[in-house]
Amino acid sequence: DGGITQSPKYLFRKEGQNVTLSCEQNLNHDAMYWYRQDPGQGLRLIYYSQIVNDFQKGDIAEGYSVSREKKESFPLTVTSAQKNPTAFYLCASSIDPLYEQFFGPGTRLTVL
Amino acid sequence: EDQVTQSPEALRLQEGESSSLNCSYTVSGLRGLFWYRQDPGKGPEFLFTLYSAGEEKEKERLKATLTKKESFLHITAPKPEDSATYLCAVRGGSEKLVFGKGTKLTVNP
Repeated sequence: DGGITQSPKYLFRKEGQNVTLSCEQNLNHDAMYWYRQDPGQGLRLIYYSQIVNDFQKGDIAEGYSVSREKKESFPLTVTSAQKNPTAFYLCASSIDPLYEQFFGPGTRLTVL
Repeated sequence: EDQVTQSPEALRLQEGESSSLNCSYTVSGLRGLFWYRQDPGKGPEFLFTLYSAGEEKEKERLKATLTKKESFLHITAPKPEDSATYLCAVRGGSEKLVFGKGTKLTVNP
């Protein structure tokens, strides 16, 4: 089955820690995205990548970092510089930036 | 700046009671309007893409339409399993999607 997987489903972080969220896709899509979802707000773009070894900041990139070393993988690191990281994180991919995006199941990050 | 406003924020229907959800947008050069369904604690599920005014798409009890300023998601004879949050997003001049806050639909049996 083709799709997008995210792990872990739930993640707990202590203050001052960096954590990495995994996103893998086997859809052969070129473009990948990370969004953050908070209650009562629309999805907000953190980072996106249109091709391997290249990525761009989205609207709320501060305190986050990414890498795109393989087409299938786009991990997101939430650093200690992110002041309010508790949220639901969604990874998405699309065959082309102009087409629809398909989402993974999400990772819920909670800061203890 | 591209903007999307969805209304109502929440809608409660009886099973079989048809209704519509609204997505109003302001964008410089629409390059796609997207509807998604999201169940609690899950990622959004893609429903439709619309590109030009007058375009319509259907899937089971759902029908999406597009004008130059808004899109409607019509739900005909809804069932309890249609309960979810419906998200609208637009792509304008940039390659980024701008999402609305969603409409939470509850269908009571």
